Amino acid sequence: DSGVTQTPKHLITATGQRVTLRCSPRSGDLSVYWYQQSLDQGLQFLIQYYNGEERAKGNILERFSAQQFPDLHSELNLSSLELGDSALYFCASSVDRDSPYEKLFFGSGTQLSVL
Amino acid sequence: QKEVEQDPGPLSVPEGAIVSLNCTYSNSAFQYFMWYRQYSRKGPELLMYTYSSGNKEDGRFTAQVDKSSKYISLFIRDSQPSDSATYLCAMMNTGNQFYFGTGTSLTVIP
Repeated sequence: DSGVTQTPKHLITATGQRVTLRCSPRSGDLSVYWYQQSLDQGLQFLIQYYNGEERAKGNILERFSAQQFPDLHSELNLSSLELGDSALYFCASSVDRDSPYEKLFFGSGTQLSVL
Repeated sequence: QKEVEQDPGPLSVPEGAIVSLNCTYSNSAFQYFMWYRQYSRKGPELLMYTYSSGNKEDGRFTAQVDKSSKYISLFIRDSQPSDSATYLCAMMNTGNQFYFGTGTSLTVIP
């Protein structure tokens, strides 16, 4: 068990809908990362938050947004869902205290199916 | 060109074989190199990490980094069926940004 908790494990929804994925990082970890994993694209970095602030942005669509709350948990919001958004969404956390050798710990993921 | 290139496989080997998994990269700013193992429908778990050229050994696993060639490898000795998984290489630059390979699927046949 990595200590990173993601809910829900599975989500089935229809095109055009909006969903929220939740992540609780490991105790003491300040950074949260969101990744999308599909069979043909591998792990794609979406966005990173550090202590409540957005730190880095990857290939995140405008229909997607995220935030990190004061208790450090994070939510990824996906709206106007399309069939192509079906994927595994992972959250990862790291301590990120200016160490050059950070370790990323991943949650078990949320499997999103858009029908 | 992708920042990190990894042969997706799939790779299938008999139990007890030595497995070699490889990644190449193009960005010389990468200073920190990792290997993650991902079982089906699970999150990636950190297997090994290293930040210098050369070899690092941990049990049956050896991580090798050649910064001059921008090439990293993971060797698995005496492979076991429980090693069957997807292996992802990952690298971090000085800005603490992570880049992942697409993963190599490995099956170890009993």
